[in-house]
Amino acid sequence: TQLLEQSPQFLSIQEGENLTVYCNSSSVFSSLQWYRQEPGEGPVLLVTVVTGGEVKKLKRLTFQFGDARKDSSLHITAAQTGDTGLYLCAVNTGGFKTIFGAGTRLFVKA
Amino acid sequence: GAGVSQTPSNKVTEKGKYVELRCDPISGHTALYWYRQSLGQGPEFLIYFQGTGAADDSGLPNDRFFAVRPEGSVSTLKIQRTERGDSAVYLCASSLRGGGGGTQYFGPGTRLTVL
Repeated sequence: TQLLEQSPQFLSIQEGENLTVYCNSSSVFSSLQWYRQEPGEGPVLLVTVVTGGEVKKLKRLTFQFGDARKDSSLHITAAQTGDTGLYLCAVNTGGFKTIFGAGTRLFVKA
Repeated sequence: GAGVSQTPSNKVTEKGKYVELRCDPISGHTALYWYRQSLGQGPEFLIYFQGTGAADDSGLPNDRFFAVRPEGSVSTLKIQRTERGDSAVYLCASSLRGGGGGTQYFGPGTRLTVL
């Protein structure tokens, strides 16, 4: 069983549509990060959420940390082809180790 | 400024051979991480260096895997007697400070294929 469960695993949508992807766990975390990874590249940090219920916006991307700090969501408004990539959530498990979810692979069609 | 670089970008080897993968972190970053990413999965933690020392190597899968960072900058991940199951993308990341408090900057990875 993965510490972080991401859903859906794969999402293919048309440009201009909205979407939400999820990161769930039964554990409580002090913070959670979202990354985007493009083919042939390493992950790039998008945001870190720290407070339960926190909402952070990054242009068309809205990140929310659950009230109980066990889950998080990423909402993209009016998706663009440039949003295509693998979206990963990750947590630090007390110390040095970062644990990643398996990711949601998003494909935005023109 | 230069980001994290990894060499080679691709490595194909035969089962049983020894390989070395190199990571050049961002200058001045004291923390360095190695991860392994298999197809369809997120990165899996292998080892963390703070300076020259391995502060956490609990993610190394077995004793065929070893990593060094002798001068606190460049790191080398060494894999002995490679197996087909070792095939994956090996990612390196560095951060200004460690302990989970610094942003990790990833390199593009080395794709290892063991035939």
